[in-house]
Amino acid sequence: QVQLQESGPGLVKPSQTLSLTCTVSGGSINSGSYYWSWIRQPAGEGLEWIGRIYTSGSTNYNPSLKSRATISADTSKNRFSLKLSSVTAADTAVYYCARVHCPGDCYYDYWGQGTLVSVSS
Amino acid sequence: QTVVTQEPSLTVSPGGTVTLTCASSTGPVTSGYYTNWFQQKPGQAPRALIYSTSNKHSWTPARFSGSLLGGKAALTLSGVQPEDEADYYCLVYYGGGQVFGGGTKLTVL
Repeated sequence: QVQLQESGPGLVKPSQTLSLTCTVSGGSINSGSYYWSWIRQPAGEGLEWIGRIYTSGSTNYNPSLKSRATISADTSKNRFSLKLSSVTAADTAVYYCARVHCPGDCYYDYWGQGTLVSVSS
Repeated sequence: QTVVTQEPSLTVSPGGTVTLTCASSTGPVTSGYYTNWFQQKPGQAPRALIYSTSNKHSWTPARFSGSLLGGKAALTLSGVQPEDEADYYCLVYYGGGQVFGGGTKLTVL
């Protein structure tokens, strides 16, 4: 059974960098059949796609984040990470990591439980 | 910036049928947008229901179906159950990116 688990500080100060890690168990992030995504959800609001990383290392990001997001992968530890720089209170949200089965018909099949990150001084 | 629009809220009676829609600011939603639909209940991560417009996952109840309707993606629930009360999100693929709709809060009353 594949499991994803987000981890990282629950509180980040404004203007600093938010750093989260998603550790994958029960499957390899090196599998060419998947890519790995980050999604966030402010309290009481909708979902926002942040970006994704392929096993090749190539990435795509939500343009609304204005290049503040960086996703990377550590295949030796079977995990991938998100860094979001210059955070403000608007970045306070539950952050989810997820696996997406691709190519062909792409679909999300496994999600982490989510981790709340608050931005406050 | 692409905007994906859903009905903010809908109400349906148990046993009834309801259709949720998903519209794109770029124009008609087609099969090439590979629309996904998710269900989210309070305090839980989203759960995938539909992918590529109309394909169901093995865990998707038969009463859920996806389609294209009048230039929008649509999720239809037939024979609604009380446990279907939840937030529903569509996700549309645009080239190298993805955009979630704002979500529909479905009330079963």
